[in-house]
Amino acid sequence: EIVLTQSPGTLSLSPGERATLSCRASQSVSSSYLAWYQQKPGQAPRLLIYGASSRATGIPDRFSGSGSGTDFTLTISRLEPEDFAVYYCQQYGSSPRITFGQGTRLEIK
Amino acid sequence: QVQLQESGPGLVKPSETLSLTCTVSGYSISSGYYWGWIRQPPGKGLEWIGSIYHSGSTYYNPSLKSRVTISVDTSKNQFSLKLSSVTAADTAVYYCARDWFGEYMDVWGKGTTVTVSS
Repeated sequence: EIVLTQSPGTLSLSPGERATLSCRASQSVSSSYLAWYQQKPGQAPRLLIYGASSRATGIPDRFSGSGSGTDFTLTISRLEPEDFAVYYCQQYGSSPRITFGQGTRLEIK
Repeated sequence: QVQLQESGPGLVKPSETLSLTCTVSGYSISSGYYWGWIRQPPGKGLEWIGSIYHSGSTYYNPSLKSRVTISVDTSKNQFSLKLSSVTAADTAVYYCARDWFGEYMDVWGKGTTVTVSS
């Protein structure tokens, strides 16, 4: 089973700053199979990034994804007030087929 | 525009079976994709439960496999989740989503809260 570990658990930043969120896998993950989601309180997750670096439809270009193998990163270049939320990474593998990281909470400093 | 909507009882007694349905609009399930269920216990992260293809082929999370059944009704454009022998640990928000062959979930329902309590 591939375990995804996200860090930090909580990230405190101010609007306008750059956010860097990490997702580390216990085994190598194909870049095609790494996705990122944003979840705001009381809402369903929203797909941000798929294939490690492709933005989903309608996602602003301040969101970018990178990485390969076991280390993946979600970067938000300049934080907007609406970006403060919880972020999850997700991988597709053998068994279980789909696993999520435990999440990173991005809060306003 | 594809939309998904979960429905079902919000309260289930321990040891009983949780049953939820996801109704898809704006897209025919028969046209393709997998369709999945994901849950989120209060204050915790996301857990994938399982997914089904329009043909009926299924994948389940091994940790829940013995208690889970996912089925599809293409005539109603719906897919359903049954989780048997529930306990308080199954209390969660349950989401349905369109599953792009496991690689990502691109459309989500708003979620429905299920509480397991006597």
